[in-house]
Amino acid sequence: QQQVKQSPQSLIVQKGGISIINCAYENTAFDYFPWYQQFPGKGPALLIAIRPDVSEKKEGRFTISFNKSAKQFSLHIMDSQPGDSATYFCAASFTNDMRFGAGTRLTVKP
Amino acid sequence: DVKVTQSSRYLVKRTGEKVFLECVQDMDHENMFWYRQDPGLGLRLIYFSYDVKMKEKGDIPEGYSVSREKKERFSLILESASTNQTSMYLCASSRLQGARYNEQFFGPGTRLTVL
Repeated sequence: QQQVKQSPQSLIVQKGGISIINCAYENTAFDYFPWYQQFPGKGPALLIAIRPDVSEKKEGRFTISFNKSAKQFSLHIMDSQPGDSATYFCAASFTNDMRFGAGTRLTVKP
Repeated sequence: DVKVTQSSRYLVKRTGEKVFLECVQDMDHENMFWYRQDPGLGLRLIYFSYDVKMKEKGDIPEGYSVSREKKERFSLILESASTNQTSMYLCASSRLQGARYNEQFFGPGTRLTVL
């Protein structure tokens, strides 16, 4: 049973567009919500993360929106670039227990 | 530059072989993890360790064991490899609970094929 559900499985966006990836979780004990970015042949790397005491966090073109009551959070990539093409994983964590979504393969077309 | 290294990028083994995957981190992290990554399933935790000689089962420990004799090194062992263990294996490390959001640092992965 997947504790973090991620959608869509794949996403194709034109250069300059907005990429949106959504995640939903079940366990209300989760208190840390990171997004990881993985390029082919590499391990995932932390992109951006949020704690549930804020509703939004922005770092450059990347924004996490967090809705605690709905138990949902999403990643928005503004002005998407071909270099953003990668697989994105959302995750939810409590202490040392981190649960990952299934991943979204993003392709940004030039 | 922090680093998690894995002993092999690609590995091909035969059914029934004993397989060792090694992971080393240079960040003096207490926690170390082994995941397998499969398309459509994301990352699933096999085992983790929060201290030398300590280990905890993750979600899919069957068919695997681990060893942590030194703080920087965490080994994953497939006692008798089977074809359904063909996958990408990722090692990660992190600081103790409560330290800087528990960010996990990943190695580049080992793609294991069992024939």
